[in-house]
Amino acid sequence: GAVVSQHPSRVICKSGTSVKIECRSLDFQATTMFWYRQFPKQSLMLMATSNEGSKATYEQGVEKDKFLINHASLTLSTLTVTSAHPEDSSFYICSARTHRFGNTIYFGEGSWLTVV
Amino acid sequence: GENVEQHPSTLSVQEGDSAVIKCTYSDSASNYFPWYKQELGKRPQLIIDIRSNVGEKKDQRIAVTLNKTAKHFSLHITETQPEDSAVYFCAASLFGNEKLTFGTGTRLTIIP
Repeated sequence: GAVVSQHPSRVICKSGTSVKIECRSLDFQATTMFWYRQFPKQSLMLMATSNEGSKATYEQGVEKDKFLINHASLTLSTLTVTSAHPEDSSFYICSARTHRFGNTIYFGEGSWLTVV
Repeated sequence: GENVEQHPSTLSVQEGDSAVIKCTYSDSASNYFPWYKQELGKRPQLIIDIRSNVGEKKDQRIAVTLNKTAKHFSLHITETQPEDSAVYFCAASLFGNEKLTFGTGTRLTIIP
């Protein structure tokens, strides 16, 4: 079964508004989670590393003030897309690793964001 | 940072034939190379992975080979089936570091 859960799976928001996406690790603690973005027919691009209890580390070119990441607990990281624009429409997906299942990296189900 | 290139971008194979997808990486420190299968709108699913201490790993119809000297690794799928149709991504990282650098993806189509 799924060990990383993401919510919502699909969200539509208006330009200028903010939207929050949650990533939860189920039955294990994740001190580090990763957020990726995937545009249609493209690869997964790492946006940032979410660190429990400290600031996220952003990849070059990713605006930290636009993509707010909070990792307040060992099982939950959130990504908030602020002042969303149509070009932010994408598939956002998180990942985490657990030692419980062979040290494998697991991905959440992903969240489709459409900004209208 | 790490850069991963993947070829081909699209691949069509007759059902029952073999498919090969190749990736190269740039960072010689990378030592973990997973392969993911992704169906449209869904999460990537790990299908096989290899660490740099071995040159080949096989799991039923799927195998991965690694050439550390040349910094390239390949996915081999034998006896392909229609359900193998998907997008496949290679990735590279340092084992124990969950930060993956993905290849650009290969859309594999199995022709019945």
